[in-house]
Amino acid sequence: QKEVEQNSGPLSVPEGAIASLNCTYSDRGSQSFFWYRQYSGKSPELIMFIYSNGDKEDGRFTAQLNKASQYVSLLIRDSQPSDSATYLCAVLISSGSARQLTFGSGTQLTVLP
Amino acid sequence: DGGITQSPKYLFRKEGQNVTLSCEQNLNHDAMYWYRQDPGQGLRLIYYSQIVNDFQKGDIAEGYSVSREKKESFPLTVTSAQKNPTAFYLCASSTGGAWRGASYEQYFGPGTRLTVT
Repeated sequence: QKEVEQNSGPLSVPEGAIASLNCTYSDRGSQSFFWYRQYSGKSPELIMFIYSNGDKEDGRFTAQLNKASQYVSLLIRDSQPSDSATYLCAVLISSGSARQLTFGSGTQLTVLP
Repeated sequence: DGGITQSPKYLFRKEGQNVTLSCEQNLNHDAMYWYRQDPGQGLRLIYYSQIVNDFQKGDIAEGYSVSREKKESFPLTVTSAQKNPTAFYLCASSTGGAWRGASYEQYFGPGTRLTVT
């Protein structure tokens, strides 16, 4: 079982709609969760992080965390064509004193004008 | 401006040659990381360093080597032992550390696209 799983998509939504991106993880001890956006041919850009159960909002983006269900999601409201990218979920996993991010394989989002 | 730089942006090498990818940061971050990304795939951790003069293997360290002699610099050498070196290589940094309250948000450089023929 992969440690961090995402639906690879592609996910298509019309402009102005809400895009919902989902991620599940296997390590119950994980404490920190990150969403990155990656445009084609570019490096990942951090857009959100969340540490506590519940919702965290930043502009059009909302991250939702449910540790009991081992589930984290990213909602993008009023989706724009410029939001078309691959979204990577990352989970901080601790092993002894070492802490490293484990990434999912990403969900490709297309926002249709 | 603070940030992470990687050079070169594109690199071409012949099979059997070692090649070194540069990564420099001026964010005063303690931790630095190297990832590899293949087409349509997520990021896989090659090596990471949480402090100067110390580094740890990630999930796919075979065929790679690193050094961390300065806080700002974390070069990656792709050796001839790496069987499939053609990939997009990404360097990242974070404030890191093992102390309580440490920040683990990682910020990425622009990447180096390596092609080996």
